[in-house]
Amino acid sequence: GQNIDQPTEMTATEGAIVQINCTYQTSGFNGLFWYQQHAGEAPTFLSYNVLDGLEEKGRFSSFLSRSKGYSYLLLKELQMKDSASYLCAVTDSNYQLIWGAGTKLIIKP
Amino acid sequence: NAGVTQTPKFQVLKTGQSMTLQCAQDMNHEYMSWYRQDPGMGLRLIHYSVGAGITDQGEVPNGYNVSRSTTEDFPLRLLSAAPSQTSVYFCASSTQDRGPSGANVLTFGAGSRLTVL
Repeated sequence: GQNIDQPTEMTATEGAIVQINCTYQTSGFNGLFWYQQHAGEAPTFLSYNVLDGLEEKGRFSSFLSRSKGYSYLLLKELQMKDSASYLCAVTDSNYQLIWGAGTKLIIKP
Repeated sequence: NAGVTQTPKFQVLKTGQSMTLQCAQDMNHEYMSWYRQDPGMGLRLIHYSVGAGITDQGEVPNGYNVSRSTTEDFPLRLLSAAPSQTSVYFCASSTQDRGPSGANVLTFGAGSRLTVL
């Protein structure tokens, strides 16, 4: 079966750095997405990786290792507004999205 | 530019009732989809469409119908509501062409919270 694993919840301190991991086992691979979802709101796109390596976008970076079936989202200089759930999703060989259950990130002052 | 508009935001139904969740997008996106989101689970695809007149089943289609008569609209119909359909429903759309990053990025509606008693 297809599976995406993420930690259920993480806590970090304002101003710090946090890394949210995602491991996947899917039928084929055609890209990995990270979405942010604030409580009660819609998911919004953060990043996309299809090749191995690090993609940096301001305070957020996303890393992919296809051989290990592994990705992480790195958030730097954490702000209170970063408190949200972070969803990892993989596009499989049929270009269907497989979603993880999400990681709830709690930022403390 | 409104993006993806879903209505209603909240709905309470009794078991056996039927209803339609509306979804409209103004971005001329070919691809539209419906997901449900339940606690502790990833988003699950119910139905999707790659263009007007074309629909297909996702991972959890039972109990739901869709139609795509226009590019803009993609309503989701619950035929006979059951408590297991209590969930938050999201409509999402994207272009079929890959953007500069190579990704088909989904744009989500604000969600519809449905409770079936």
